[in-house]
Amino acid sequence: NAGVTQTPKFQVLKTGQSMTLQCAQDMNHEYMSWYRQDPGMGLRLIHYSVGAGITDQGEVPNGYNVSRSTTEDFPLRLLSAAPSQTSVYFCASSYTPPTFHSGNTIYFGEGSWLTVV
Amino acid sequence: KQEVTQIPAALSVPEGENLVLNCSFTDSAIYNLQWFRQDPGKGLTSLLLIQSSQREQTSGRLNASLDKSSGRSTLYIAASQPGDSATYLCAVTRGAQKLVFGQGTRLTINP
Repeated sequence: NAGVTQTPKFQVLKTGQSMTLQCAQDMNHEYMSWYRQDPGMGLRLIHYSVGAGITDQGEVPNGYNVSRSTTEDFPLRLLSAAPSQTSVYFCASSYTPPTFHSGNTIYFGEGSWLTVV
Repeated sequence: KQEVTQIPAALSVPEGENLVLNCSFTDSAIYNLQWFRQDPGKGLTSLLLIQSSQREQTSGRLNASLDKSSGRSTLYIAASQPGDSATYLCAVTRGAQKLVFGQGTRLTINP
């Protein structure tokens, strides 16, 4: 199993450019999410999805779009990059949402380092 | 708003020592609490998950406890090894399908 795969690993963008961070998982997980990690801020939820065709906003959704056309893929789109979006982005997946009482392991990708200049 | 705090931000101990990492949260109405490990340049790896009805979980040399009433969790690492060096994050789940993370404790085990 590849687990959660993120591409690209590193990216430099100019202000105003758009791009898509790719996330794919091969574990048939229904729940997928995107976080950003910034120094002193911890990880913050951007968007999440509880299944194909269903997405919702997290804590910091502004400037980002997502879609979930398949169970496997959950791309994150930056519409018009800004320096404030310089961060490390993590995609995560699990079989059920983290609030499900039975609990289940959440798997993270290795991160995408994005710099906006 | 749920806030999660981890103190200290960094900890350095000699190899072989037992150590405790701390996590506190402001809202005790949580579903569960998880501890993660993050190596430099890598993603997060789930270590232990404690349901709100549980008091502790153990995995090998790791033991995590949960005291909801006081809003605290601890991660106990026994007989520390240099390979335990990493950043350890705790996260709580309350609602809105999300984890709320602390900022992490960067642990260094000195040989």
